[in-house]
Amino acid sequence: SAVISQKPSRDICQRGTSLTIQCQVDSQVTMMFWYRQQPGQSLTLIATANQGSEATYESGFVIDKFPISRPNLTFSTLTVSNMSPEDSSIYLCSVQTGQIYTGELFFGEGSRLTVL
Amino acid sequence: RKEVEQDPGPFNVPEGATVAFNCTYSNSASQSFFWYRQDCRKEPKLLMSVYSSGNEDGRFTAQLNRASQYISLLIRDSKLSDSATYLCVVRPNTGGFKTIFGAGTRLFVKA
Repeated sequence: SAVISQKPSRDICQRGTSLTIQCQVDSQVTMMFWYRQQPGQSLTLIATANQGSEATYESGFVIDKFPISRPNLTFSTLTVSNMSPEDSSIYLCSVQTGQIYTGELFFGEGSRLTVL
Repeated sequence: RKEVEQDPGPFNVPEGATVAFNCTYSNSASQSFFWYRQDCRKEPKLLMSVYSSGNEDGRFTAQLNRASQYISLLIRDSKLSDSATYLCVVRPNTGGFKTIFGAGTRLFVKA
């Protein structure tokens, strides 16, 4: 299993500003994942954060908007840049333990972001 | 077409009822299947994996039909504490660790 701490748990931000979300895992993991969950919607993978290399972004997400850091095997940050109201969402950090196809995903409690 | 589709519900059932959720997936190369549970304003947590032969965990039974690309979850003897959103989750055998979530089915169990 894995225990994930995320902060901030929530924030209200002004349009045009940036917010950095931190994710700390209680064990070393190769990959960390960042998801977005908009109200009433499914979780959408933003990117995979790899230690020692650049993050891998999914279609529709770009590094300039969502820069990610992964300085070590237990920590990652996601920045939401130049925010607009459309970025209002819950952002979740996740890790997978076990086998590549059958392993379980563990999530942080999420960061609820409201952009005014 | 969404990669994973679920009936959003909500399903409103009395305690003790049996309720079934369905899910379809579009990628025939999908490798692994799961049901996750998400309580209101909480993070998703694994409920159970879904195996080809079907599997049961207490009051919960999961079934997989690869030919029809269909997954189901059956909850027997519903409890108030079963009220949550149930997410159908698929992991293809391409793209490494990528996991695809359905939008979820909301269940309300009432006394």
